[in-house]
Amino acid sequence: EVQLVESGGGLVQPGGSLRLSCAASGFTFSRYWMHWVRQAPGEGLVWVSRIHDDGSSTTYADSVKGRFTISRDNAKNTVYLQMNDLRAEDTAVYYCASDGVAVPGTNNFDYWGQGTLVTVSS
Amino acid sequence: QSALTQPPSASGSPGQSVTISCTGTSSDVGGYNFVSWYQQHPGKAPKLMISEVSKRPSGVPDRFSGSKSGNTASLTVSGLQAEDEADYYCSSYAGSYIYVFGTGTKVTVL
Repeated sequence: EVQLVESGGGLVQPGGSLRLSCAASGFTFSRYWMHWVRQAPGEGLVWVSRIHDDGSSTTYADSVKGRFTISRDNAKNTVYLQMNDLRAEDTAVYYCASDGVAVPGTNNFDYWGQGTLVTVSS
Repeated sequence: QSALTQPPSASGSPGQSVTISCTGTSSDVGGYNFVSWYQQHPGKAPKLMISEVSKRPSGVPDRFSGSKSGNTASLTVSGLQAEDEADYYCSSYAGSYIYVFGTGTKVTVL
């Protein structure tokens, strides 16, 4: 059974930092791209970042570029999101999602974790 | 990276059909056959319902179907059931490994 379990969310002050983790199981993690997607309270889904299966390529939404860094440790089956210079508008539930596990090919978010809430407030 | 445009709401009676549109540009929806649709119940994580415009992942009922014409993609739910009441989001690849979601549509089963 595929499982994605996020952790690391919490309350942080504006300008602060937080690192989210997403532990994967039930599939060969090192073969698949991974994404982070966020959802502000009462709002829609917003794609945040993607990382290639071997970590060699990463991309970001303009809203987080230069502040967030996605990385992965294939030995630990874990993807990370380092978030720096956090702003109130970064407040959201952050989901990790796999790409290509359930559906052959790429550019789909096929399995999702339960999400972890990040609140940026003083 | 502007969000794709979806109607805020849609509704239908049990057994009826409802179609949700997702309008983008030639740089996203119109440029690639990588449009996917997600169902999200309150307080839950999204679930992939349609991939690559019209492909149904294993386990998704065949009541769900997808299509695309030009810069607009559509999701149709036929034979509406109570459990279909949820928020639905489209997503599209936008080139250079960038992705964009739609604004979301709340489907109500009357």
